[in-house]
Amino acid sequence: KAGVTQTPRYLIKTRGQQVTLSCSPISGHRSVSWYQQTPGQGLQFLFEYFSETQRNKGNFPGRFSGRQFSNSRSEMNVSTLELGDSALYLCASRSDREVSSGETQYFGPGTRLLVL
Amino acid sequence: AQSVTQLDSHVSVSEGTPVLLRCNYSSSYSPSLFWYVQHPNKGLQLLLKYTSAATLVKGINGFEAEFKKSETSFHLTKPSAHMSDAAEYFCVVSDKNRDDKIIFGKGTRLHILP
Repeated sequence: KAGVTQTPRYLIKTRGQQVTLSCSPISGHRSVSWYQQTPGQGLQFLFEYFSETQRNKGNFPGRFSGRQFSNSRSEMNVSTLELGDSALYLCASRSDREVSSGETQYFGPGTRLLVL
Repeated sequence: AQSVTQLDSHVSVSEGTPVLLRCNYSSSYSPSLFWYVQHPNKGLQLLLKYTSAATLVKGINGFEAEFKKSETSFHLTKPSAHMSDAAEYFCVVSDKNRDDKIIFGKGTRLHILP
């Protein structure tokens, strides 16, 4: 089985722009979560989607949004980029059988975003 | 509410010596606990997980962890460190309730000295 894939792997944007990141989960997985990782704050949970619905949300401003498609692929959008949005954005998927029992998440390689 | 505390931000050990990465958790319910490893410029890889079966959990690459409810700990150990173990390690807690939120520790960077 192919793992979690994320595109693009690297991205450079300027302040005020917007960006869309994409995540394709492992085949058969219906839950997709997004995380932001920075040296100062560590790994922070953004949101989780399950069957096209947002299931959980972290403490991020409304500039951060996401969605999930019927094929379970997910996109994350950040509008009006700020310098502090520079980070590694990680996507993780888990199988629908495991969602209610806190089971294993499988992570993609991440998208490294640099905001200038 | 859940929380997870990794007691050391950096740990240095010599190659061939034991590794101990400490993790304490707080959970209102019956938690699932995980350890993930992240090598430089890579995503996170699952090392092992505890889900209320055996309290001593064996993972990949010779790592293991013991769930101690009385101490609310889930420390990660390895008998003999290898240079390839140099990475960042994350302890993660997830509660088996409806919200099922996943909380990551701040991470412990493991340095292996030759």
